[in-house]
Amino acid sequence: KNEVEQSPQNLTAQEGEFITINCSYSVGISALHWLQQHPGGGIVSLFMLSSGKKKHGRLIATINIQEKHSSLHITASHPRDSAVYICAALSRGSQGNLIFGKGTKLSVKP
Amino acid sequence: NAGVTQTPKFQVLKTGQSMTLQCAQDMNHEYMSWYRQDPGMGLRLIHYSVGAGITDQGEVPNGYNVSRSTTEDFPLRLLSAAPSQTSVYFCASSRRQYNQPQHFGDGTRLSIL
Repeated sequence: KNEVEQSPQNLTAQEGEFITINCSYSVGISALHWLQQHPGGGIVSLFMLSSGKKKHGRLIATINIQEKHSSLHITASHPRDSAVYICAALSRGSQGNLIFGKGTKLSVKP
Repeated sequence: NAGVTQTPKFQVLKTGQSMTLQCAQDMNHEYMSWYRQDPGMGLRLIHYSVGAGITDQGEVPNGYNVSRSTTEDFPLRLLSAAPSQTSVYFCASSRRQYNQPQHFGDGTRLSIL
């Protein structure tokens, strides 16, 4: 079993829909990262969080440490949100190295 | 600010050839790392460095060497390329080792024939 699991693997939405991507992890963590990989391949860091909730524009990330679960929400989705979203866990005692999920491929149709 | 710069963007090699993937950052970051990304798998750590002169192995280090002679540069060397090393390679950096946002290069798409 992977230490970091994402669901769904693929997600198709209509423009304007509210989107949720889930990430579960089995290790104790000190932080969790959400990343966005554009169709062209570049990877951008969206959030790093260790508790609670963070918001940036239409993106919201939440984490529940007790349940070992994080969610990434996109409100009022737009075709430009189409990308692969990756969660990565920084496990305690890992020497700072991240454990990555396999990613969720999101396609937002106009 | 250039951020993390990787070169080349694309490369085709023959089995047995060697090459170096370059990675440079201009943010004075202590922590640098190399990942490979393969279809259906998450990013996997090859090697990492927590500062100049310090490197260590990640999850999949076999067939790769690294060095960190300066804070800015962290090259990845393929010693004798094999088809199993066909992948997309990403270099990343962060200010410190722990709990810092990661900055990624644009990736190098490498094919080994």
